[in-house]
This record gives sequence, structure tokens and C-alpha cells, in this order.
Amino acid sequence: EIVLTQSPGTLSLSPGERATLSCRASQSVSSSYLAWYQQKPGQAPRLLIYGASSRATGIPDRFSGSGSGTDFTLTISRLEPEDFAVYYCQQYGSPGGYTFGQGTKLEIK
Amino acid sequence: EVQLVESGGGLVQPGRSLRLSCAASGFTFDDYAMHWVRQAPGKGLEWVSGISWNSGSIGYADSVKGRFTISRDNAKNSLYLQMNSLRAEDTALYYCAKVKVRGVMVNWFDPWGQGTLVTVSS
Repeated sequence: EIVLTQSPGTLSLSPGERATLSCRASQSVSSSYLAWYQQKPGQAPRLLIYGASSRATGIPDRFSGSGSGTDFTLTISRLEPEDFAVYYCQQYGSPGGYTFGQGTKLEIK
Repeated sequence: EVQLVESGGGLVQPGRSLRLSCAASGFTFDDYAMHWVRQAPGKGLEWVSGISWNSGSIGYADSVKGRFTISRDNAKNSLYLQMNSLRAEDTALYYCAKVKVRGVMVNWFDPWGQGTLVTVSS
């Protein structure tokens, strides 16, 4: 099973700053199968990025994804107050199915 | 607008069974694979099971294999999860999710329902 490790566990930043979230896989992952989700308290997760770098419908362009192989990054260029949430990366790998990272909590400094 | 509404959660004793449902609307249900994902209280996300549009392909996480059964009724626009031999560690909020792209089993989850809470406790 492919394990996804996200870092940092918690990221404390101020609105207007740039956020860089990391997702590292225990073995190579197809970029086609790497996604990022945002989850706010009391809400269901929302798809942000799919295929490692494509923004989902309605996602602002301050969100971007990059990476390949075992290292992937979610970048938020200028944080807005509504961006403070928990972020998860996800991959699909046979035969283990889907796995998620443990999440990065982005909190207001 | 796509809507996914889960139901069937509740408090159940260890070893007992529960059946979750997910009612779908706002899209052509039988064009899309569907999945169940769970989240234990205060924890991260765990994929549970997925089913293709025609039920021809099904997958389970190792943690639920042999105990849980996913199914769907395309005529009723509904997804189900039959959970047997429940354990305390199955306690979680269970989300159903639609895949983003029609006709494929492996894909990203978009959108998700709001979830139904399952609590396994004596």
C-alpha cells in the first residue's frame, strides 16, 4: 500500500501570505491519480486539485498543484480568510485502492 | 445541482449490522462510479469502498473486506453500504462521493455528501 505523508502537520500563516503544503508518497504515484481536497470544520471535503495540477470547477486560481513521482505540492499564493482549513492529498494505487494523507491543518497565525 | 444525501447511521452494538444509503440527484446516476469514505471523530479520511456505474467492478479497503458490502440501485438513484460485524473502530462519519468523470471507476471524488454518523458502542 502506498503511504502518503503530508507536511507540515500544522501550518500557521497570516492572510495574504503564501502557503506551501507537501505530500510525499512512499513509492511513485501516477500524477493522473493525485488529488487535493479542502475540508472546513463541519463540512464535507471539497475537491481542489486533480491530476496533480488541474484545478477543479470553481476553485480560485490562487490554488495550484505541482509535482510528480513521490513529491507533490499544493500552493496557495495569497491566503484569504476562507482558506484556513485542513487539506488532504489522495492517490489511487492498485491493489490497495485509494489512500489519503493524514492532512495538513492551515491555521491563522 | 448534484446532491448526495446519506442516511441510515446511528448507534449500534459491536457485532451488529447497519445499512447506509445515499440518495443521489442532479446528475445521471448510472453514468458514474460511486464511493464510500469515512472519517473517525477528529481523524483523517479513509476510503472504504467503491462501485462502478454498472456494479461490474467493486473494491474494498482491507479494513472492511469481508464485513462490508457495497451495492447500488440505478433505478432508485441510490448507493448502499451494508455493514456487518461492526467494531468500535468502524465508528466514523460515512460520506458517499461521486467520481468526477463519467464511465470510469478510478477517479477523483467530486462532490461528497454531508455524511451520516455511525457509532459502534455497547
